[in-house]
Amino acid sequence: GQSLEQPSEVTAVEGAIVQINCTYQTSGFYGLSWYQQHDGGAPTFLSYNGLDGLEETGRFSSFLSRSDSYGYLLLQELQMKDSASYFCAVREDTNAGKSTFGDGTTLTVKP
Amino acid sequence: EAQVTQNPRYLITVTGKKLTVTCSQNMNHEYMSWYRQDPGLGLRQIYYSMNVEVTDKGDVPEGYKVSRKEKRNFPLILESPSPNQTSLYFCASSLSSGTSYEQYFGPGTRLTVT
Repeated sequence: GQSLEQPSEVTAVEGAIVQINCTYQTSGFYGLSWYQQHDGGAPTFLSYNGLDGLEETGRFSSFLSRSDSYGYLLLQELQMKDSASYFCAVREDTNAGKSTFGDGTTLTVKP
Repeated sequence: EAQVTQNPRYLITVTGKKLTVTCSQNMNHEYMSWYRQDPGLGLRQIYYSMNVEVTDKGDVPEGYKVSRKEKRNFPLILESPSPNQTSLYFCASSLSSGTSYEQYFGPGTRLTVT
């Protein structure tokens, strides 16, 4: 099985940088994804790391270290609209159809 | 517009009354999946389908059934709903199981079972 841990809440101010961590314990691991979900909305895909290292997409970056079973999502130049929940998710390598999501981190951006 | 649609968006029903939540995607995706989301518990996978006529259990399949007779549709069936199935349900799809790290989600169906 899979188990993921991420902080339940993070607060930051507009313009700042925030890092949301995700640690995982898995019987198999294929890669780490990140999704954003605004209140009442559908999750939307942000980023994926299949290999160790940093992936950058605009203001968002994601990092993976397989040896540490750890990843993070980095949000730069925070805006009020970034207030949302952020989920990490893993896919099993033995069964590509199975996905496991973390419980989510609620990010609050303050002016 | 490329999208995943779900119907109904909101449903209040009573214990034991069979219901179906429909899910349809217009992106010709092979992979589809159902999740439920409860407060503080994130998304939990119910069932998924790698392709037509290929379905498998996720982490919380009890009390649910699915079918995949056409590529675009993946209905979720609750044969005898119970109050513990009150939840927010999301359908998702991706191009293939190989790209299931990037899933497109429908708008959600909020189900209340009394």
